[in-house]
Amino acid sequence: LAKTTQPISMDSYEGQEVNITCSHNNIATNDYITWYQQFPSQGPRFIIQGYKTKVTNEVASLFIPADRKSSTLSLPRVSLSDTAVYYCLAWENFVFGPGTRLSVLP
Amino acid sequence: EAQVTQNPRYLITVTGKKLTVTCSQNMNHEYMSWYRQDPGLGLRQIYYSMNVEVTDKGDVPEGYKVSRKEKRNFPLILESPSPNQTSLYFCASSLSGRDNQPQHFGDGTRLSIL
Repeated sequence: LAKTTQPISMDSYEGQEVNITCSHNNIATNDYITWYQQFPSQGPRFIIQGYKTKVTNEVASLFIPADRKSSTLSLPRVSLSDTAVYYCLAWENFVFGPGTRLSVLP
Repeated sequence: EAQVTQNPRYLITVTGKKLTVTCSQNMNHEYMSWYRQDPGLGLRQIYYSMNVEVTDKGDVPEGYKVSRKEKRNFPLILESPSPNQTSLYFCASSLSGRDNQPQHFGDGTRLSIL
């Protein structure tokens, strides 16, 4: 099982870049890495997904090194509205860990 | 608009009174699933369905039933609810059950069993 490990919480300030790293040492060859965002009392929302190297969309970037044992979600210039829990998933798409609670401060 | 719709959004009921939470998706997705979310325990999968008439247990299936008679609908049934089933429930769907297909989640149903 490609269990994921990520920090329980992080604090940042508005306008800063936030990087959340997730380790998945046992990731299998066919596994993708998927990140979700969840606001209180809402369902998780897909942010970004990647297999290797770098993926970028309008919301975030995902960096995956060659060994794929970790990945980093990068949120550019965060705002207060980015305060949420961020989940990293590898292997089975439905195994959610505790996630990282990001607090963006003014 | 592509969405997963759950009903009701909130429900307070009493122990033993059967209830059903409906879930419907309009994206023609094959895979659907139910989760519960509890403080400190994160999201845990209850049941999932790879396609019509195919359902399987997730991590915490006890006390729940599901059915998948149509592709778009995946109701969650609590035959005899108990207080330990008080939780926030989410329905989700994806194109298939493969991990390169992101899941789309509903807005949640908050159940309180007294």
